[in-house]
Amino acid sequence: QVQLQQWGAGLLKPSETLSLTCAVYGGSFSGYYWSWIRQPPGKGLEWIGEINHSGSTNYNPSLKSRVTISVDTSKNQFSLKLSSVTAADTAVYYCARGRRGGTTGTTGYYMDVWGKGTTVTVSS
Amino acid sequence: QSVLTQPPSVSAAPGQKVTISCSGSSSNIGNNYVSWYQQLPGTAPKLLIYDNNKRPSGIPDRFSGSKSGTSATLGITGLQTGDEADYYCGTWDSSLSAHVVFGGGTKLTVL
Repeated sequence: QVQLQQWGAGLLKPSETLSLTCAVYGGSFSGYYWSWIRQPPGKGLEWIGEINHSGSTNYNPSLKSRVTISVDTSKNQFSLKLSSVTAADTAVYYCARGRRGGTTGTTGYYMDVWGKGTTVTVSS
Repeated sequence: QSVLTQPPSVSAAPGQKVTISCSGSSSNIGNNYVSWYQQLPGTAPKLLIYDNNKRPSGIPDRFSGSKSGTSATLGITGLQTGDEADYYCGTWDSSLSAHVVFGGGTKLTVL
């Protein structure tokens, strides 16, 4: 079955750029939306953004100015960059496979496969 | 502050039934499908319900979902101690900058 393996730097200083990568194993890369989600300590989930195999992206408006999600279809990988990090960006970051469906005017979106998460701490 | 509103906590005894509510607006729940996720302590979220009321393969029928207007509900029957977890609702928000939104999460305690 499909598995997501993620990695990246776990400790950053304020103003640095967070960089994480997620590799997709055991399934098709096309036809899905590949998402990043984060969870600050003791808090809920926040969707960061998504990319499909063609490179089309959608971002959370609250993070859009600092986020770049890219894809490497030759490696079945997608990546997250978050610039100018602060302590507020300290969180567990998850990658996930998104599926979108629905009918005209109605969108069904859910994430059915998740990576194990990467803890990112921003501290001076 | 989350876009979708969930109660912070619910509790019930083993074997009982519990419901978790998720309230939104016309730009999200009112016009899109809802999904639910279970997050056991220290683990990644797991999809429980998608498209309002569908269960992925392997999810027992003790878990159910429904939607009415701008609210959705997750139901769990025959509670087990292993169901103690955080539960999140999520959906697509079709506002000007379309994106995924989540509820703040509900901690389920099985007494």
